[in-house]
Parts: sequence; C-alpha cells; structure tokens
Amino acid sequence: AQTVTQSQPEMSVQEAETVTLSCTYDTSESNYYLFWYKQPPSRQMILVIRQEAYKQQNATENRFSVNFQKAAKSFSLKISDSQLGDTAMYFCAFIAQSGGGADGLTFGKGTHLIIQP
Amino acid sequence: GAGVSQSPRYKVAKRGQDVALRCDPISGHVSLFWYQQALGQGPEFLTYFQNEAQLDKSGLPSDRFFAERPEGSVSTLKIQRTQQEDSAVYLCASSLFYSLNQPQHFGDGTRLSIL
Repeated sequence: AQTVTQSQPEMSVQEAETVTLSCTYDTSESNYYLFWYKQPPSRQMILVIRQEAYKQQNATENRFSVNFQKAAKSFSLKISDSQLGDTAMYFCAFIAQSGGGADGLTFGKGTHLIIQP
Repeated sequence: GAGVSQSPRYKVAKRGQDVALRCDPISGHVSLFWYQQALGQGPEFLTYFQNEAQLDKSGLPSDRFFAERPEGSVSTLKIQRTQQEDSAVYLCASSLFYSLNQPQHFGDGTRLSIL
C-alpha cells in the first residue's frame, strides 16, 4: 500500500519569509510522480508543482521548489518570499503505475499554511 | 467550459435518501476521477474512468456508491440509502489522458451533508 505522511498540521509565517512543508511517502513502486497541490478556502485544488521519481534535479516553479530525497522518500516544498495569497491547505500527493490497473492520487492529510501580514 | 464543473455545490439530504452528484470535465479530457474528502482530511480516491469505461472502482467504500459516465463526458456519482458517514466533499478531477505525469484538474467539489 502507498502512504503519504504530512507531519505538520499547521504552520504560520510572516509575509516575505521562506517556509518549508514536509512530506514523506512509502511505496514499493519504482516509477511514480509526486505532486504538491494547494487548496484555498474556495475548495478548488490547484497544482503547485510536480516531480518525476526518475529525475534527480529538483523541480522549481517560480517561488516554489521541492527538495526530493528519493532514498529517504522525502518530498518537501519550499515557498520563498511568501505572500498572503499563499494561505491555503497544501497537500502532498503521489501516483504510481501499479500492475492492477489505473489508480488515482494518494494524498496526505495536508498542512494548513497561514501567511501573516 | 474552461474548468471542471460540479453540481450542486451543496447538497443536504436525510439519512436513507439517494443522491446524485454531477461532474462536467474539461472538454476533450479522456480521464475522469472521483475523490471523497472528509472534513480535515486529504482527498481519497474513489473511482476512475477512461472515456466511458470505469477502469478502477477500488476506492468505492460500499455497494451503495455507484458512478457512471455513459457517453464519455459528464459523470454522475450516485449514493444510495445515504448514511451520516457519507457526509464529505466529493471532488471530481479530469486529465487530458491517463499518464502519471498528467496533472489532474479539479472542480470546486460538492459538499454533501447527511442529516
């Protein structure tokens, strides 16, 4: 079974600071992708960044970057120069090609990030 | 439409009633997913369609849950004889095709409350 663990239920930082959200996962699959999704109070889940397991280079998207440690099965999200609009629930998610057929994303429980003015 | 559309946005039903939740994916998207998100939790996968074929329904919690996508576009998630534990937000997502790296585009969800 695949599991995703987010150990920080809530985090709060000041605007313009850098914040890192942690995520660990467990899988026996070798081919998989990892994602960070953002869910504002409006509920729509928005993709922030994705990482392929085979790529050693960490993905970056503007102010968002990941630290992917495959051996440790760790996939943390770093948000630089945080903005008020970054306030949201952040979910780490995982998908793998399993032999039994198509699967959906496996999500962690989420981290509620609050950016203080 | 520009995004995934779900209706209704809110649904209140009495225990024992049947409900139907609708998802209209992004035009041309082959893959469609349903997720259940309990309060304070991450979404949990329910089922997956490729066009009209339901390829994976391993996440459906009981035989009271049924999903269909008869013409490969709009999908309906039906819950029969609802129970209080069915209260959750039901999210629909679509992707252009099924591939591990294809991002899933989510709708706003339907918040279902069972009284």
